[in-house]
Amino acid sequence: NAGVTQTPKFRVLKTGQSMTLLCAQDMNHEYMYWYRQDPGMGLRLIHYSVGEGTTAKGEVPDGYNVSRLKKQNFLLGLESAAPSQTSVYFCASRPGQGGFYEQYFGPGTRLTVT
Amino acid sequence: AQSVSQHNHHVILSEAASLELGCNYSYGGTVNLFWYVQYPGQHLQLLLKYFSGDPLVKGIKGFEAEFIKSKFSFNLRKPSVQWSDTAEYFCAVTGGAGGFKTIFGAGTRLFVKA
Repeated sequence: NAGVTQTPKFRVLKTGQSMTLLCAQDMNHEYMYWYRQDPGMGLRLIHYSVGEGTTAKGEVPDGYNVSRLKKQNFLLGLESAAPSQTSVYFCASRPGQGGFYEQYFGPGTRLTVT
Repeated sequence: AQSVSQHNHHVILSEAASLELGCNYSYGGTVNLFWYVQYPGQHLQLLLKYFSGDPLVKGIKGFEAEFIKSKFSFNLRKPSVQWSDTAEYFCAVTGGAGGFKTIFGAGTRLFVKA
């Protein structure tokens, strides 16, 4: 199993450009998450999904949109990138309902917005 | 609102020294507690977790953590650190038996001198 994969690994955008980050998992997990990691701030939840076709806002959703058309994929979109969105983005998945389940993380995408 | 506080942002130790990283959380109900580790250049992975039973839990690589409900704490310990323990450590909490959102602490960067 590949686990959780993310593409791309690195990206540089100019302010105002758009892009989509792809997350894929092959563990048949129900729940998927997008986080951003910034120095000294830990991981902050952007959006999450508890099943195919469903999404919800997390702690810092502004400027991002998501879609979960297939159970195994969770896409994160930036419609008009801003320098404040420079960060490392992590996708994670979890089997399903049950707060005791740990999350499985992807390798991250390092995004720089100039 | 849920929150997680990690007391030390940076810790420097020599090999063979003992480690204790503090973690306190704020949540009024049942909690599921996690410690994740992020080695340099890698994604987050689970170190250990607690959701019920014995409050002293053991994880990988000789780490353990103790859940003290009265203190809302879940401190991470290791009797003797190694150079390979150099990493960033994140405490996290998921509230409730069916909780689907996890709150992460800001992280503690550990550097172990050889």
